[in-house]
Amino acid sequence: AQSVTQLDSQVPVFEEAPVELRCNYSSSVSVYLFWYVQYPNQGLQLLLKYLSGSTLVESINGFEAEFNKSQTSFHLRKPSVHISDTAEYFCAVSRGGSQGNLIFGKGTKLSVKP
Amino acid sequence: DTAVSQTPKYLVTQMGNDKSIKCEQNLGHDTMYWYKQDSKKFLKIMFSYNNKELIINETVPNRFSPKSPDKAHLNLHINSLELGDSAVYFCASSQEAGGLFFGSGTQLSVL
Repeated sequence: AQSVTQLDSQVPVFEEAPVELRCNYSSSVSVYLFWYVQYPNQGLQLLLKYLSGSTLVESINGFEAEFNKSQTSFHLRKPSVHISDTAEYFCAVSRGGSQGNLIFGKGTKLSVKP
Repeated sequence: DTAVSQTPKYLVTQMGNDKSIKCEQNLGHDTMYWYKQDSKKFLKIMFSYNNKELIINETVPNRFSPKSPDKAHLNLHINSLELGDSAVYFCASSQEAGGLFFGSGTQLSVL
């Protein structure tokens, strides 16, 4: 069975510091990997995705994630965070070939402090 | 211009009541979903419809009945509400290579 583990439930950082949110998955088949962000009282928004090809994927707001097949990881990084990045971040893996039938991790709460 | 919209945003009701949540997407996607987010923020898929046809039903009590009148709409009806049904319910849609697009959620509180 597939699963997703987000190793940190909370990550506090200061503004302009780098951050890494860790995600590991287990699967016996090829997967698609996703990061979603949830701001307070809102739905989830797709941040970035890995489907195939280059193992490094980037979002428009400075986040990047690297697919590492040997370590079954898909960690999310940003070199310099802003207050506005404060949110809950969810890593997800596809079940089968579907990009909509996802197994989510339990989320990591990123708190950026001034 | 909301891509995936669901109503109501908040739903407060008594145990035993029946309630519905409506969802509409204007993205032209073929597949729609219902996800449940519990109090610990854990998200789990409940149902998926592809072009009005049920394709995923994840061990959800049969008190929950989805209905898709057309591919742009997926409603969720819940009978005999229980305390444990309290959660945030998200509607979503997807198309190949696009990932999931979520609505803003319906917070259901059963008293």
